[in-house]
Amino acid sequence: GAGVSQSPSNKVTEKGKDVELRCDPISGHTALYWYRQSLGQGLEFLIYFQGNSAPDKSGLPSDRFSAERTGGSVSTLTIQRTQQEDSAVYLCASSPQGRPEAFFGQGTRLTVV
Amino acid sequence: GESVGLHLPTLSVQEGDNSIINCAYSNSASDYFIWYKQESGKGPQFIIDIRSNMDKRQGQRVTVLLNKTVKHLSLQIAATQPGDSAVYFCAEIGDNQGGKLIFGQGTELSVKP
Repeated sequence: GAGVSQSPSNKVTEKGKDVELRCDPISGHTALYWYRQSLGQGLEFLIYFQGNSAPDKSGLPSDRFSAERTGGSVSTLTIQRTQQEDSAVYLCASSPQGRPEAFFGQGTRLTVV
Repeated sequence: GESVGLHLPTLSVQEGDNSIINCAYSNSASDYFIWYKQESGKGPQFIIDIRSNMDKRQGQRVTVLLNKTVKHLSLQIAATQPGDSAVYFCAEIGDNQGGKLIFGQGTELSVKP
């Protein structure tokens, strides 16, 4: 079966523009995560969706960042008025109900110029 | 957001030797601990997990040890191979953190042939 799919795989945008990053989780997985990874560093938690519960947005670095998950499936991470420090790889992961391990996509590499 | 470390520590081993990668975690109430492997340009890949009520779990060529007294987790890789070269991350999940997966600092493993 298909794994977690993220699009685009690479995105170059100008400073000040808005971007949308898409994540298609594994079918049937109830939990979905977004992380950010800067070059040579670890994974910074951004947001967590679990079923129909209110998302945990505690990791979003500013109000320029937002995410939605429609119909319990596809998720979109939106960054408004992008800044150079937003340049990173954005990783999405999903988990099945009752299981702790998350399965990751390949990530979207965002470059803000 | 909840964050991970600065520049990653590195571990260099000779092919065929055993590797031990260590991780200190922060949340004494975490229920699950997971090790992930991340190869260059890819998303993290699940290796092995362990529940908080266990102190050891073995997989194929890998063993995870959990010491709750000192909040320490280790991953042992037997007979390390060049294909094991990657960055290894520990992660934890706790209900008191909303059930989300939080990553620790990674370690870059380099295997010399």
